[in-house]
Amino acid sequence: GAVVSQHPSWVICKSGTSVKIECRSLDFQATTMFWYRQFPKQSLMLMATSNEGSKATYEQGVEKDKFLINHASLTLSTLTVTSAHPEDSSFYICSARTRTDTQYFGPGTRLTVL
Amino acid sequence: AQSVSQHNHHVILSEAASLELGCNYSYGGTVNLFWYVQYPGQHLQLLLKYFSGDPLVKGIKGFEAEFIKSKFSFNLRKPSVQWSDTAEYFCAVNGQRDDKIIFGKGTRLHILP
Repeated sequence: GAVVSQHPSWVICKSGTSVKIECRSLDFQATTMFWYRQFPKQSLMLMATSNEGSKATYEQGVEKDKFLINHASLTLSTLTVTSAHPEDSSFYICSARTRTDTQYFGPGTRLTVL
Repeated sequence: AQSVSQHNHHVILSEAASLELGCNYSYGGTVNLFWYVQYPGQHLQLLLKYFSGDPLVKGIKGFEAEFIKSKFSFNLRKPSVQWSDTAEYFCAVNGQRDDKIIFGKGTRLHILP
């Protein structure tokens, strides 16, 4: 299947700093990528839909000024958590959609905010 | 409202037992259906998917699922489980005109050796 990578896999930062997470589709082009958040022992919650060359669409309750999404190319989307706080600590997962409408998921990024 | 319901949060089976994980969805319109698996310490992987055609779909590792439209169900089955099937399984749905995938809460499967 298609491969999606995320970088970094684990990041620890101080409260108030910003963290950027990259999501790349390695062997296909993805006009649409998705960002999810997964809490321990819970399902994935969609945060936003990232479309190449346009603004991201955020789900209700997700602060767009806090979670900045940039989909600069057909293989790269970035999520920046601005002014991170401990409650932002979570597992962030991206996915990329292929032309056949199947989503492939990245391995996730574990963010810990001290 | 669009939703996916997985009936069992935690299932424990012995090796060679048969498996069926329930999934029901609520969605207005034509849907695509998915089962994803997350092995311990690994990321989500697609197990199988249904878009159209034969409602009985076969996936990797001997898994299959049956789409029953009248029951809004997409149950996952495997006739004989192995210890390596220990993982968390997520049922998911999206509308055929919708980008967003909605996930169920997951079923944690433990297989006893």
